[in-house]
Amino acid sequence: GQQLNQSPQSMFIQEGEDVSMNCTSSSIFNTWLWYKQDPGEGPVLLIALYKAGELTSNGRLTAQFGITRKDSFLNISASIPSDVGIYFCEDSGAGSYQLTFGKGTKLSVIP
Amino acid sequence: DADVTQTPRNRITKTGKRIMLECSQTKGHDRMYWYRQDPGLGLQLIYYSFDVKDINKGEISDGYSVSRQAQAKFSLSLESAIPNQTALYFCATSDPLAPGDNEQFFGPGTRLTVL
Repeated sequence: GQQLNQSPQSMFIQEGEDVSMNCTSSSIFNTWLWYKQDPGEGPVLLIALYKAGELTSNGRLTAQFGITRKDSFLNISASIPSDVGIYFCEDSGAGSYQLTFGKGTKLSVIP
Repeated sequence: DADVTQTPRNRITKTGKRIMLECSQTKGHDRMYWYRQDPGLGLQLIYYSFDVKDINKGEISDGYSVSRQAQAKFSLSLESAIPNQTALYFCATSDPLAPGDNEQFFGPGTRLTVL
């Protein structure tokens, strides 16, 4: 099956700092989705990317679909305490139905 | 009201017991999914269903079964629970006709503990 590597596994940052996380794969993907999971809740979609090279923003969040279609990054600018949670990338592979989640990046924000 | 609901929210059971987790949705989506979440392992797909007559195994289906009773209902069963099935279980839905057809909508989760 597909191998999806998400890094870093966890981050502790100071409030106001910028954050960057990424996902890479050995396979080519058609879409990249970034979700956030708040403590005690299910994941919620943040940003969806559908084209290689696509750069999309959602407030303080920016994500890009790598030009090789094998990677994606998510940046959060000027972090705030409510950014705490686990961030997951998810991809859809070419060809038959495939959806794979990364193992998540756990973000902690120190006020 | 929540679009995707799961019952129960928490369950403690004993090894060997049969357990059913239920999921209901009011989004009108054809596709439904069951995931398992373990710390540090992300979300692993157990089963998915594209419509009422379609059931497919995911990456970790052993020890689990599902039933799609209606478009709105998708149940996950553990026929004989074992301790390593202790995890957080999520149901999700998606709409293949939406522009973002891979976007999934998750329920709040069921925390299952098998003693």
